[in-house]
Amino acid sequence: EVQLVESGGVVVQPGGSLRLSCAASGFIFDDFAMHWVRQSPGKGLEWVSLISWHGGDTDYADSVKGRFTISRDNRKNSLYLQMDRLRAEDTALYYCAKDISSAAVAIDYWGQGTLVIVSS
Amino acid sequence: DVVMTQSPLSLPVTLGQSASISCRSSQSLVYDDGNTYLTWFQQRPGQSPRRLLYKVSSRESGVPGRFSGSGSGTDFTLRISRVEAEDVGIYYCMQGTQWPPTFGQGTKVEIK
Repeated sequence: EVQLVESGGVVVQPGGSLRLSCAASGFIFDDFAMHWVRQSPGKGLEWVSLISWHGGDTDYADSVKGRFTISRDNRKNSLYLQMDRLRAEDTALYYCAKDISSAAVAIDYWGQGTLVIVSS
Repeated sequence: DVVMTQSPLSLPVTLGQSASISCRSSQSLVYDDGNTYLTWFQQRPGQSPRRLLYKVSSRESGVPGRFSGSGSGTDFTLRISRVEAEDVGIYYCMQGTQWPPTFGQGTKVEIK
């Protein structure tokens, strides 16, 4: 059974930093690209970042480019999101998500999410 | 970015009746490999999203047969026949063909 378990969400002040983690199990982690997707309170879903299966290719939404860094450790079956220079608008539930496609983007599994609140 | 427009945004349905949700994209979702990477997710209250359908109409394992998807190019539909109480939630379409991936605004399905 595929499991994705996020952690690291807390309350942080504007301008602060945070690192989210996602522990993966139930599948061959280094076979698949992974994503971070966020959901602001009461709002819809927003794609944040992608990392390829080998970690060599990454991309970001314009809203977080230059502030967030995605990474993975295939030895530990773990995905990370380093979040710097946080803003109030980054407040959201952050989901780790698995991709099934080797071509376009096709998310098949989501974690339960970890809540990040940016507030003074 | 490709804009995904869902309608309606709110859908009250009587138990046992059918429901349809439209999802329109601002660009064609046909990928170079000939596939159309349009996915439907269900988000029940307090839960994370769950994949229902992928590549327009392929049903995820374990998803009831009353969920079906159709469409092509830029125009897609999710249909729920014989709505049950457990179908309450928000439904999102997502395109993965054009970069970056984008989601529809979500359609809230509730029981009348």
